[in-house]
Amino acid sequence: QKEVEQDPGPLSVPEGAIVSLNCTYSNSAFQYFMWYRQYSRKGPELLMYTYSSGNKEDGRFTAQVDKSSKYISLFIRDSQPSDSATYLCAMSDDFNKFYFGSGTKLNVKP
Amino acid sequence: EAQVTQNPRYLITVTGKKLTVTCSQNMNHEYMSWYRQDPGLGLRQIYYSMNVEVTDKGDVPEGYKVSRKEKRNFPLILESPSPNQTSLYFCASTPLGRTYEQYFGPGTRLTVT
Repeated sequence: QKEVEQDPGPLSVPEGAIVSLNCTYSNSAFQYFMWYRQYSRKGPELLMYTYSSGNKEDGRFTAQVDKSSKYISLFIRDSQPSDSATYLCAMSDDFNKFYFGSGTKLNVKP
Repeated sequence: EAQVTQNPRYLITVTGKKLTVTCSQNMNHEYMSWYRQDPGLGLRQIYYSMNVEVTDKGDVPEGYKVSRKEKRNFPLILESPSPNQTSLYFCASTPLGRTYEQYFGPGTRLTVT
């Protein structure tokens, strides 16, 4: 069983839609949760970081962590064509070893 | 410009021929890490280093070696590459204590025939 599961998509939405991206995990020791965005032919870049459970908001992006369900989400409001990318969730229990999901490819249509 | 650089960016080689992929960062970061990215499997951590001469295994270290003799460099060594090591490789760095915010290099596409 993989440590982190993520639906690969692709997910196609119209501009302005609310997007929900999700990951599930099996290791209850994970306490650091991250979302990275990866454009085609580029390295990933950090979008959001959350420690333990709860919500965190940054502009149009909201990250949620539900440790009881081992489930994390990233919401994108008012999605833009420039948000079209692959979104990777990542987790860690010790801040040294990291486990990534396989990524969800998002396409926002103008 | 603050950046992580990798060389080469593309490499086609044959089974068993030793190769090294270099990674260098100019941000004075303590923590550096290597990942491979494969379709359907996502990013998987190969090795990481918390500082000079301190390295440890990630999730998929088999068939790889690393060294950290200088703070800025973290080369990835494949002593006897095999076709199952064909992949896209990323190096990343970050200050210690902020390892959630890893800065990734541009990637190295490796094909082993």
